Amino acid sequence: AQSVTQLGSHVSVSEGALVLLRCNYSSSVPPYLFWYVQYPNQGLQLLLKYTTGATLVKGINGFEAEFKKSETSFHLTKPSAHMSDAAEYFCASSSPSGGSYIPTFGRGTSLIVHP
Amino acid sequence: DADVTQTPRNRITKTGKRIMLECSQTKGHDRMYWYRQDPGLGLRLIYYSFDVKDINKGEISDGYSVSRQAQAKFSLSLESAIPNQTALYFCATSDRTGDVDYGYTFGSGTRLTVV
Repeated sequence: AQSVTQLGSHVSVSEGALVLLRCNYSSSVPPYLFWYVQYPNQGLQLLLKYTTGATLVKGINGFEAEFKKSETSFHLTKPSAHMSDAAEYFCASSSPSGGSYIPTFGRGTSLIVHP
Repeated sequence: DADVTQTPRNRITKTGKRIMLECSQTKGHDRMYWYRQDPGLGLRLIYYSFDVKDINKGEISDGYSVSRQAQAKFSLSLESAIPNQTALYFCATSDRTGDVDYGYTFGSGTRLTVV
């Protein structure tokens, strides 16, 4: 069975600082990986995804993530945090196991941005 | 109009009452899902449907039922609501072509309170 672990339920950064949200997955086959963002009182929005090909994936709002198979990681980064980045971030993994591709979600990381 | 619409947005109901949450989509996707979100627990899958004739239980289906009335409509029912079903409920759709998983489109959620 696949699982997704997000290290840190809360991450606090200053505006302009580097954002790093950690995600590790476990899967018996190469997975598809996703990051979603949830702003207050809204649904989840797809930020970026890795399916195949280039391991560095760029998403919306200046975010990017790198798939590292050797480390089973898919960490989300942004060079310079903005106040509007404050939100809940979810990492998810899906795999062709059983053919269903039902994703497994991490528990989420709340990003807090200080002025 | 939103791609995935959930109604109602907020609902307070009494213990023992039957309640239905509705979801409709204009994405044309075959796959639809119901999740609940609880603080610190992330998203947990309740039910999913890959087409109108295909309904599957998720990890926490007890106490819930669903109906897929059409490709675009997928409703979730709580036959006899209980307080621990108080949560934020999300409907989502997805598209998959061949072996590529494109990720989910989420609705804005229904905040349900059972008193």
